[in-house]
Amino acid sequence: NAGVTQTPKFQVLKTGQSMTLQCAQDMNHNSMYWYRQDPGMGLRLIYYSASEGTTDKGEVPNGYNVSRLNKREFSLRLESAAPSQTSVYFCASSRTTYGYEQYFGPGTRLTVT
Amino acid sequence: DAKTTQPNSMESNEEEPVHLPCNHSTISGTDYIHWYRQLPSQGPEYVIHGLTSNVNNRMASLAIAEDRKSSTLILHRATLRDAAVYYCILITQGGSEKLVFGKGTKLTVNP
Repeated sequence: NAGVTQTPKFQVLKTGQSMTLQCAQDMNHNSMYWYRQDPGMGLRLIYYSASEGTTDKGEVPNGYNVSRLNKREFSLRLESAAPSQTSVYFCASSRTTYGYEQYFGPGTRLTVT
Repeated sequence: DAKTTQPNSMESNEEEPVHLPCNHSTISGTDYIHWYRQLPSQGPEYVIHGLTSNVNNRMASLAIAEDRKSSTLILHRATLRDAAVYYCILITQGGSEKLVFGKGTKLTVNP
């Protein structure tokens, strides 16, 4: 069991470039999440998917889009990267959103110059 | 959304118990109390969760106040590996699905 995997681990983008962060889980979880963590800060929820076929905004959704490709995969897209999106991005999954623990991936460190 | 309040930092000595407090005065009846921790340069790791009763697992214990307006994460014997940021978060059952982590408590463990 790999748990939650994320690619890439590191990425440097120029302002205006686009990219997609990939996340996959092999635990047959229904719910998946994308968070960002700025230096010295706690995690903030960007988007989540309570179940396959549904996605909803979290606390800081502006500038991002998501796709729940299937039950295993949940991608995060930056259409036009901005320096304010420099952060560490974590993907997580859980059995459901109600009272179940979340399992986190190792993170993607993104720098936008 | 219900919010939590935690001290910014705490310090402990190795092999001593640690009590990490969390206030959640606006908690609703269907909110689960979850604790996570984040070691340096790693993703968060689940520690424990509960609804009303105290809970124990191999990592820690969770003591929940009778009125549920506060809880305490108890590490029975702190080790250097327990040095991390600890987050107390509420997960609402059947309601808003927005999860708020907050800034957490940075625990320093002295050898």
